[in-house]
Amino acid sequence: RKEVEQDPGPFNVPEGATVAFNCTYSNSASQSFFWYRQDCRKEPKLLMSVYSSGNEDGRFTAQLNRASQYISLLIRDSKLSDSATYLCVEGGGNKLTFGTGTQLKVEL
Amino acid sequence: NAGVTQTPKFRILKIGQSMTLQCAQDMNHNYMYWYRQDPGMGLKLIYYSVGAGITDKGEVPNGYNVSRSTTEDFPLRLELAAPSQTSVYFCATLLGGGNTEAFFGQGTRLTVV
Repeated sequence: RKEVEQDPGPFNVPEGATVAFNCTYSNSASQSFFWYRQDCRKEPKLLMSVYSSGNEDGRFTAQLNRASQYISLLIRDSKLSDSATYLCVEGGGNKLTFGTGTQLKVEL
Repeated sequence: NAGVTQTPKFRILKIGQSMTLQCAQDMNHNYMYWYRQDPGMGLKLIYYSVGAGITDKGEVPNGYNVSRSTTEDFPLRLELAAPSQTSVYFCATLLGGGNTEAFFGQGTRLTVV
């Protein structure tokens, strides 16, 4: 079983839609979780950290469910500029473990 | 501040050739990492270092070597390049290990023919 699993997509949504991605992790002892965004042929960049209490940053909301070992990312009012690959990341010890990413395409 | 700088940005190698991918950071981070990303795939950890003089294997270390003589530099050496090493290579730094933000270089796109 992969340490971090994501649906690769693509998710094709119209502009203005709400879209949600889930990610599951296998290590119940994992302490830190993140969502990174990667544009085509570019380096990943941190989108947001994920906390047990959930956190929101503008149109983006991240949630952590430790009991079911999954994290989620909700994007409201999707913009064309949100088109990218979203990487779920688990952090522990000295390393970060990346999921394969979920591709989002926002269309007119 | 340049952050994390990788060179070269692009390179074509012939099978059997060797090369060194350079990674330099000016963020004074102790933790440095090399990942490879194949098309449509996630990032796989090749090697990492938690400080000068210390290196450890990641998930896919075969065919690569690293050294960490200074905090700033973490070169990745490919010996006897193979087509399977065609990939995009990313160097990253972390301030404090797996619970902190990663900062990536812009990547090196390597093709082995």
